[in-house]
Amino acid sequence: EPEVTQTPSHQVTQMGQEVILRCVPISNHLYFYWYRQILGQKVEFLVSFYNNEISEKSEIFDDQFSVERPDGSNFTLKIRSTKLEDSAMYFCASREGLAGGPFTGELFFGEGSRLTVL
Amino acid sequence: KNEVEQSPQNLTAQEGEFITINCSYSVGISALHWLQQHPGGGIVSLFMLSSGKKKHGRLIATINIQEKHSSLHITASHPRDSAVYICAVRPGEYGNKLVFGAGTILRVKS
Repeated sequence: EPEVTQTPSHQVTQMGQEVILRCVPISNHLYFYWYRQILGQKVEFLVSFYNNEISEKSEIFDDQFSVERPDGSNFTLKIRSTKLEDSAMYFCASREGLAGGPFTGELFFGEGSRLTVL
Repeated sequence: KNEVEQSPQNLTAQEGEFITINCSYSVGISALHWLQQHPGGGIVSLFMLSSGKKKHGRLIATINIQEKHSSLHITASHPRDSAVYICAVRPGEYGNKLVFGAGTILRVKS
């Protein structure tokens, strides 16, 4: 069965350091997402990405965050200068199809990358 | 505000029991997802619904668009069903992002 893979599974970093979380979405999918879940809280939307650009982002996704699809397979989330409050599980997800027309729509999530900022 | 409310927050059942988890939302949506999150944190999509009812094995999901309500049922529950079950909606006619509920923690005892 196709799957979304994420690396690393767990990263510990010092406050102020840059972090890159990597995702390999399912190969024929067109929409890519990052979500995060702070311990004990709801999962929150960060950003969606389609056709090599951000299609929507949340208030959380400020200038410290960026996303990239550098080589047609990887989808990365970069946090430029991590803060303590960035500690969370980050989930990558991908979806097949187009929002305005007939599409499968099922969303596939990766296993998550747990980020701990000290 | 896009609120997704789930009930109950916690549920303990005996093996074999029929389980229902409810989800209510406050805005028009293009789809509703039921997701399962295991203790390790990984999320698996169980169903995506825009109308009616879907069944997969012992799991059944229903949605009433007019009442803005969905239910997830588990028949003949088993300890391996123990997980967090999350309802998430795609707001708007062409919703792209998901707005998540807080989840229902299910524990099935043998």
